Amino acid sequence: ETGVTQSPTHLIKTRGQQVTLRCSSQSGHNTVSWYQQALGQGPQFIFQYYREEENGRGNFPPRFSGLQFPNYSSELNVNALELDDSALYLCASSSDRANTEAFFGQGTRLTVV
Amino acid sequence: GIQVEQSPPDLILQEGANSTLRCNFSDSVNNLQWFHQNPWGQLINLFYIPSGTKQNGRLSATTVATERYSLLYISSSQTTDSGVYFCARGGNTGFQKLVFGTGTRLLVSP
Repeated sequence: ETGVTQSPTHLIKTRGQQVTLRCSSQSGHNTVSWYQQALGQGPQFIFQYYREEENGRGNFPPRFSGLQFPNYSSELNVNALELDDSALYLCASSSDRANTEAFFGQGTRLTVV
Repeated sequence: GIQVEQSPPDLILQEGANSTLRCNFSDSVNNLQWFHQNPWGQLINLFYIPSGTKQNGRLSATTVATERYSLLYISSSQTTDSGVYFCARGGNTGFQKLVFGTGTRLLVSP
C-alpha cells in the first residue's frame, strides 16, 4: 500500500510568483485535504477535495486554489505569492469525505523571498 | 470558533519516564486524532480515537467525548519520542476539516 506522497519537498519562490504543489493520495482514498503550517504553529485547513470537487474550505483567500484528478491525486496552486505564504504545506488523504482517519504526506516546505 | 487546547506546551523528560499529554476541545467531535510530528515535518499517525481507549505498544490514548478531552500516555519514554505531539479534532461540517491544537513539544534526554 502506497502512502501519501508530496512533491517537491522544498521550494523557493519570489514574491508575486505562482506555485503548484502536488500530492498523491494513499491507495483506495478518494479525499484529499491541504493544510498550511507556519513555523511554531499547528496546521491550518486550506480546503478539501472529494471525488474531484472542492467540498470544504478554510479561511484562505481565493488565490489559494486546487484541483483533484480522476486518480484522486491533487494540486495546490497559490498565485501572487506573499512573504507570509512561507510555510510547510501538508496534504492529507482519507477514505471518505468526513469522519475518517486522515494520513499525511511529508510536506512541501515553501520559502517566499 | 472551535477551540483545541493542548497541555503542557513543553515537556522535558529523562529517558524511561512516563508522561500524560492532554487535549481539551470546545465542541463535540466525530473525529479525534493524535499525531507525532518528526523533525522533518511529517505528521505520523498515533491514534484515531473519537471515543474510548486504545493502546499501541508504549503509547495509549483515551478520549472522553462527553467531557470533551483526550489524553495521550507515553510510558518508558525514549529519545526517539522527542518531537511535537498534536491532537486534531474534526466536527460536524460534512468534510474532513481537522482543527489542530498548538501542540506539546516533548524533549526526552538520555
